Formats: sequence, structure tokens, C-alpha cells
Amino acid sequence: AQRVTQPEKLLSVFKGAPVELKCNYSYSGSPELFWYVQYSRQRLQLLLRHISRESIKGFTADLNKGETSFHLKKPFAQEEDSAMYYCALIGFSTDKLIFGTGTRLQVFP
Amino acid sequence: EPEVTQTPSHQVTQMGQEVILRCVPISNHLYFYWYRQILGQKVEFLVSFYNNEISEKSEIFDDQFSVERPDGSNFTLKIRSTKLEDSAMYFCASSERSGTVNTEAFFGQGTRLTVV
Repeated sequence: AQRVTQPEKLLSVFKGAPVELKCNYSYSGSPELFWYVQYSRQRLQLLLRHISRESIKGFTADLNKGETSFHLKKPFAQEEDSAMYYCALIGFSTDKLIFGTGTRLQVFP
Repeated sequence: EPEVTQTPSHQVTQMGQEVILRCVPISNHLYFYWYRQILGQKVEFLVSFYNNEISEKSEIFDDQFSVERPDGSNFTLKIRSTKLEDSAMYFCASSERSGTVNTEAFFGQGTRLTVV
């Protein structure tokens, strides 16, 4: 079964602390993994994808096929990072996104 | 920056009534999608649409649902006879191309549908 699991509903940290939002997936094949972010009262937007291997707003995510994980990390959280974060995958020969339940990140000053 | 636009932002309807949710995708995009999110649950895929036909649909997308692109710009989702459990946030999305390489789906702000 195709599934994306985000075990934490809420993650609260203080500004400057490291952040790791966990994502595990279940898919028989090689999916493409994404992180989408939704800031307060804004639309869902792509944060990063594993294929790009880039850092966006200080965030990085490494695909670990052995652990089927795609955790999102940032070494020093900022208040403006407070948002809802969704991990998602696209499987082979499809273009539908399969989302996790999301993790709300709260960064306190 | 071009955006996907959805109207209305909030729709309240009585059970059994038909609703049409409207979306204007980004103009040079060819692939269109509807997703929904029931309160407290995950965002779920409903349907994808390309070249004036459904390319993929989920088990949620039953005979009560339909999509069309009536005038080449709007992309609509129709629910024929709404049920209480159809209450959700409905998101439209569009992308320039399909498949995994360089695919980025751009989402609208969503329409909150409340069935009473």
C-alpha cells in the first residue's frame, strides 16, 4: 500500500533550535518525495523535492531508501518557519500526490 | 506570479443539493487536479484531468462527482447530491507537465464546503 506517515502532529521549538520533521513512506518502487508547506492563511506550496537535492529557506531533506524516510531538517529554526508541513510522494506512472497527515511546526521566540 | 484561483472561498449547501466548485488554473498548465481535506485528516487525491478527460481518479471520486473544463480556462468540480461527509476543504491544483521529473503542482487557496 502507498502511504506517507508523519508521526508528529505538532512540533514546538524555540528560535535557533534545530528542527527535524519526520516522514516515512511505504511504496513498492522508487517514488519521488516532496515537502509542501502551508503558512497561516496561505496556500499549499512546494518547499523542496528529493530529486533537486537543494536547500530551500535553510531546509534540507535526504531520501533514505533503506529506512524509507525523507525527514526535513533545519539547523536553526526561525519564527517565520512556523507553518504546517506535509510530506508527499508521487509514484511511478502516476501524477497524484499522496500526502501525509502533516506536522504543525511552532517556533517560539 | 501566476496563481491558481478558486471560487468561492466558502460554500454552504444543504444536503442533497448540487454544488459546483470553480478553479482557474495557471494559464500555460495542462494538467489539473482536485484534492480534498476533511477537517483533521490528510489531503486526499480526487482526480486528475488532462486533454479534456480524466486521467486518473481515486475511489472517493464516485458517480456523484464530475469534472469539466467548459470554456478552456475554468476547471470545475461538481458534486451532484451532496452528503454531510462531503464537507471538506477542496483544493484545485495545476501543473505544467505530468510525471515525476520536474513536476510541481501549484495549489489554489481552497474552497471550504460545508454541507448542512
